[in-house]
Amino acid sequence: SAVISQKPSRDICQRGTSLTIQCQVDSQVTMMFWYRQQPGQSLTLIATANQGSEATYESGFVIDKFPISRPNLTFSTLTVSNMSPEDSSIYLCSVMGEETQYFGPGTRLLVL
Amino acid sequence: EDQVTQSPEALRLQEGESSSLNCSYTVSGLRGLFWYRQDPGKGPEFLFTLYSAGEEKEKERLKATLTKKESFLHITAPKPEDSATYLCAVLSTDSWGKFQFGAGTQVVVTP
Repeated sequence: SAVISQKPSRDICQRGTSLTIQCQVDSQVTMMFWYRQQPGQSLTLIATANQGSEATYESGFVIDKFPISRPNLTFSTLTVSNMSPEDSSIYLCSVMGEETQYFGPGTRLLVL
Repeated sequence: EDQVTQSPEALRLQEGESSSLNCSYTVSGLRGLFWYRQDPGKGPEFLFTLYSAGEEKEKERLKATLTKKESFLHITAPKPEDSATYLCAVLSTDSWGKFQFGAGTQVVVTP
C-alpha cells in the first residue's frame, strides 16, 4: 500500500483568499485523485490529476476554482481559489494502487 | 450511471451485538467493490476488495460478501473500537479508475 501525506492538515481561512494543499506519495503512481468531503457527507470526486497534462475535472468542478498541478509521479497540489464558507470541507487526495485507492489523511478547511 | 446506496444510514449496537451493513449497487460492469472504514477527521482506511459474486473476505470481526446486486459487511461481536463510518465504493469497467462512493453507514458500538 502507498503512504500518502498531505499539508496542511487543517487551516482556517478568510473568504476571498486561496489555499494550496499538497499531496506527497512515497512511490510513483500513475493515477492520483482529489476528493471533497463536506460535513456529514460522503466523498465527491473533484478531479483526476494527470502527470504532464491538465487535470480532468468532474461535473460541477472547474479549473479556475480548483487548479491542480501534477509535476511528477509522486506529488500533486490542489488550490481552492477565492474561497467562500461553502468551501469548508475535508479535502482528500488518493492514489490508485494494485488493489484499490489509498487515501491521504485529509486537509480540514474552514472558511470564515 | 453508476449508483451506490448504503443502508442503514446509522447503526447503534451494543458491544457483542452482531449486525450487517448493506451496499446496493448499479454498474454497467463491475471491476471491483471496495469497503473502507473512516474515523472522524481522518482519511478512509481500506478494508476489502471484492471482484465477483460469491466472493467473501474476512478481517478480524469483519466479513464482506458480494452478490450481483449488493454487498454486505457483517460485523461479528463488535467492540467499541469498531465504531466508525463504513464506506462502500464501486469501480466499473468503463470508469477509468474513478470510484463511485456510497454515503456511508455510521456505526456506534456502546460498551
